[in-house]
Formats: sequence, structure tokens, C-alpha cells
Amino acid sequence: DAGVIQSPRHEVTEMGQEVTLRCKPISGHDYLFWYRQTMMRGLELLIYFNNNVPIDDSGMPEDRFSAKMPNASFSTLKIQPSEPRDSAVYFCASMEGPTSTEAFFGQGTRLTVV
Amino acid sequence: QKEVEQNSGPLSVPEGAIASLNCTYSDRGSQSFFWYRQYSGKSPELIMSIYSNGDKEDGRFTAQLNKASQYVSLLIRDSQPSDSATYLCAVRAGANNLFFGTGTRLTVIP
Repeated sequence: DAGVIQSPRHEVTEMGQEVTLRCKPISGHDYLFWYRQTMMRGLELLIYFNNNVPIDDSGMPEDRFSAKMPNASFSTLKIQPSEPRDSAVYFCASMEGPTSTEAFFGQGTRLTVV
Repeated sequence: QKEVEQNSGPLSVPEGAIASLNCTYSDRGSQSFFWYRQYSGKSPELIMSIYSNGDKEDGRFTAQLNKASQYVSLLIRDSQPSDSATYLCAVRAGANNLFFGTGTRLTVIP
């Protein structure tokens, strides 16, 4: 397996625009996590899915953020409208099951909102 | 209150010394604890996991867990310049939420 695949790797957008980040988890992994990483706040859990169902979205900062997982092989994180403070690296990670010992991370999407 | 707390550092140690990294967590029901390493510009990768009180050794790395004190640590023996990275403590709590600390930046000086 190629691992967790995220796209795009880099995104630069203007304030107010819609941004969509994409993630393909490792095949057979039941859990998918979205994180945001900044120098100030570290790696923050935004939302996670189990078997395509959102389980905990309490980390989503506000209504501008939304996430979906329409099937086991694809998830999106959307920001609409984007703001400069959303600039960060966004990571997607997947985990096989509830007793798994490791979450595998994608390479991340570096988002810059100008 | 953040679920996982770490000293952000930076922590500098000379090559060959022992590096000690510490972490505390807030959820007493947490059962799984992890240390991830993240090189600059890269994604986190797992280096150690620990589930029971006590020590767990893997090569130059030793993880220590004290559930009564809600404390996890990582010792790196014979530190090498290639160990220079940010070390992230992670805790799996509740319904499989996986929370990370802000990380400790370690520099090993040749």
C-alpha cells in the first residue's frame, strides 16, 4: 500500500475562498483522523471517523470547517470561507482498528491563506 | 485544559548523552500511550507505544509510564545527531480519540 495520501501538498489561496483538502486512507483502516498543526498550538485533533461515520468533531474550530467521508477510501476537509488564521499544515491519519498500535500519517497539506 | 502537556523545549544534549522527554495527560481513563518523532517538514512517525505501568525498552529508546501520576516519559540513550527532531507524546482516550501534545524539540549537538 502507498500509505495515506493527501492532496494537494501545498495550497495558497486568498482570504474568503473555499479550500478543499483531500485524503485517501490506507485500505482496510477503519479510523481516519484530521489534524491541524501550527507552531503555537501543536497538533490539534479536528475530527475523526470510524467506518466513515464522524465520531467526534468537537475539535473543529467553527462552522467554516466541515469534513466528510463518503466512502472508506476518501475524505475531505473543507474550509469556507478561508481566513489567514487557518494557515497551517493539515494532516490526515488512518488507523486499522480500536486496538491498533499505530496511526499512519499522510505527508500533510501546507495551507497558506493570504 | 489540554489533554496532553509537554515541555516545548528546546532541549539540547551533547552527542552520546541521555535525552529525557516528559509528558502528562489529563484523562485518567486513558489506556494507550505513544511517542512519535517528527523531523522538520515531515509527518509524525511512531517510535514507541506503551500500555502498562513501568518501562518498555526498544533499542536506545525507553518509554516509562506511571498511570497514578498520569505521566509518560521517553529516554533516548547514546543520543545521536540524527535523533534531532520534535518528539510528540500521544494518548488514546475514550472512544479512540488520539490526542497529541505540542511536542518537544530535541537538538543533539555533535
